[in-house]
Amino acid sequence: DAEITQSPRHKITETGRQVTLACHQTWNHNNMFWYRQDLGHGLRLIHYSYGVQDTNKGEVSDGYSVSRSNTEDLPLTLESAASSQTSVYFCASSESMASGSSYEQYFGPGTRLTVT
Amino acid sequence: DQQVKQNSPSLSVQEGRISILNCDYTNSMFDYFLWYKKYPAEGPTFLISISSIKDKNEDGRFTVFLNKSAKHLSLHIVPSQPGDSAVYFCASIRGHNTDKLIFGTGTRLQVFP
Repeated sequence: DAEITQSPRHKITETGRQVTLACHQTWNHNNMFWYRQDLGHGLRLIHYSYGVQDTNKGEVSDGYSVSRSNTEDLPLTLESAASSQTSVYFCASSESMASGSSYEQYFGPGTRLTVT
Repeated sequence: DQQVKQNSPSLSVQEGRISILNCDYTNSMFDYFLWYKKYPAEGPTFLISISSIKDKNEDGRFTVFLNKSAKHLSLHIVPSQPGDSAVYFCASIRGHNTDKLIFGTGTRLQVFP
């Protein structure tokens, strides 16, 4: 069965360190998204990609970067981790609008990141 | 600027009764709406959706109603079950030029026996 996985599931890091969160999907979806979930804010979009070599900033992109070298993976990098980036991070994927999809996004299980 | 609002952070309902979760949006260009359900320590999962050309969509115990003039949608769960206890997010999209969803802040539903 197709799926979307994230690793690690839990991560504790120190302020100033670079951290990379992995996301891998086997749906063969063109679209991939990174969100963070914080109390009172719901799910906020960090970065997204509509295909290989395509990346775009979301509403809370400062301090984060992504790269898309293949269809399956969209790693999220925190260049210099800050305490404000303590959060739960979700990766999602979806078919492209051009395919006539229902816009449904499939989510991974999440990564809980703590920056101390 | 919160374009999708869920003004009730929590809701408590007795098992067997109806649960009504509400969502308001500000952008009249939104033309597709989705509800997601999220259990603790899991990712959100798609529940039900509705296009702006409809005012109701039903799937088993779940019905979504859309009132375009009021920019309001609601999710009805009948009858509510303890397994429905979760956080529910509504999401909207302006489908013509983007695949990005805009999520509300979520409503925590607790269904008690």
